[in-house]
Amino acid sequence: ETGVTQSPTHLIKTRGQQVTLRCSSQSGHNTVSWYQQALGQGPQFIFQYYREEENGRGNFPPRFSGLQFPNYSSELNVNALELDDSALYLCASSLPGRPNTGELFFGEGSRLTVL
Amino acid sequence: GENVEQHPSTLSVQEGDSAVIKCTYSDSASNYFPWYKQELGKGPQLIIDIRSNVGEKKDQRIAVTLNKTAKHFSLHITETQPEDSAVYFCAASGASYGGSQGNLIFGKGTKLSVKP
Repeated sequence: ETGVTQSPTHLIKTRGQQVTLRCSSQSGHNTVSWYQQALGQGPQFIFQYYREEENGRGNFPPRFSGLQFPNYSSELNVNALELDDSALYLCASSLPGRPNTGELFFGEGSRLTVL
Repeated sequence: GENVEQHPSTLSVQEGDSAVIKCTYSDSASNYFPWYKQELGKGPQLIIDIRSNVGEKKDQRIAVTLNKTAKHFSLHITETQPEDSAVYFCAASGASYGGSQGNLIFGKGTKLSVKP
């Protein structure tokens, strides 16, 4: 059974550019959540996808968007990048039928640097 | 909105000693309280969790206690080992967070150093 995998592991962008981050959920997990972790801080909830639909959103602007595919994998897209978007972006998946329990299994993250 | 406070921000102990990390939360609707361990360059790993209908849970050297009345919960690590060195995060989850059940509100983390 594979865990949550994310790509790319590291990337550098400049202000104003757009970025797409990808996540493959743990086998059998149908719910994917995305978190942003700034240096020295705890992860902050961006949004969650369940059955290919957004199922809740944190305090992030609309330029943060996402998708979930039929195989439960997911993408996080960020448009018009700002310097403050520099962070570790974490994807987490949840067990089937249990999106409400909070039992999240995290990937290793994608480290985004915006110059 | 909900807020999770975590203390201390750094903790240094001698190998074999115990370590205690404390968190408080503000929303009484919270019903799930996990603890995560994050090693350098890795994603958070769930180490133990507790639900609001339980006061204490133990797993080998790790235990978590929950006081719903006071709205605080604690992580206890006994017989610490150098490999316990990492950043530990507490979190809280409930239906009232972000319109989505199951998303977590994290504390700011505690950097634990275990000296051999």
